[in-house]
Amino acid sequence: DTEVTQTPKHLVMGMTNKKSLKCEQHMGHRAMYWYKQKAKKPPELMFVYSYEKLSINESVPSRFSPECPNSSLLNLHLHALQPEDSALYLCASSPSPGKHEQYFGPGTRLTVT
Amino acid sequence: GENVEQHPSTLSVQEGDSAVIKCTYSDSASNYFPWYKQELGKGPQLIIDIRSNVGEKKDQRIAVTLNKTAKHFSLHITETQPEDSAVYFCAASMVGTSYGKLTFGQGTILTVHP
Repeated sequence: DTEVTQTPKHLVMGMTNKKSLKCEQHMGHRAMYWYKQKAKKPPELMFVYSYEKLSINESVPSRFSPECPNSSLLNLHLHALQPEDSALYLCASSPSPGKHEQYFGPGTRLTVT
Repeated sequence: GENVEQHPSTLSVQEGDSAVIKCTYSDSASNYFPWYKQELGKGPQLIIDIRSNVGEKKDQRIAVTLNKTAKHFSLHITETQPEDSAVYFCAASMVGTSYGKLTFGQGTILTVHP
């Protein structure tokens, strides 16, 4: 089973709202990733968690705040977003940071109004 | 850093024909090359990958070839079906790094006409 789940599927939020995206995997993977994908573009890496610790932050604005409560869960907290942050947010996981088969979830379609 | 170029950006074929998508990479240290298929409204799905110690890999109707000297790799889909219609992304990475960053190509929109 290579399933990564993400909730919610769709999210509409105002620029003053605070919301969170959730990602879950039960494959025992120890690396988890957040990507942002704009229409007709490839995914862009935002954050990497390795053994529940933040390993990589690709210069993402502080209005995006990741959290990894345990090895199965990954959250992305959103606050004071801009309309240009509207995109598909993808979570992925990999067996370990050194292995590179990344499995993606279905994504959360975020619209900032 | 690594740069991956992917061609063509769109590809239209008739059902039953073959489709070929090509990617080139810039960093000779890259040694892992996955291909992802993304259908409308879904996340990317890993369909096949290849490591640099292998020249070709097949899985039913899909195959990937790698030319390390020329730094390019290709996806081949034979006997295409309408359900193969999707956006395909190639990517490159370096095994052995601590976090496995994938550098993606810009994508190819494949349309298979019945």
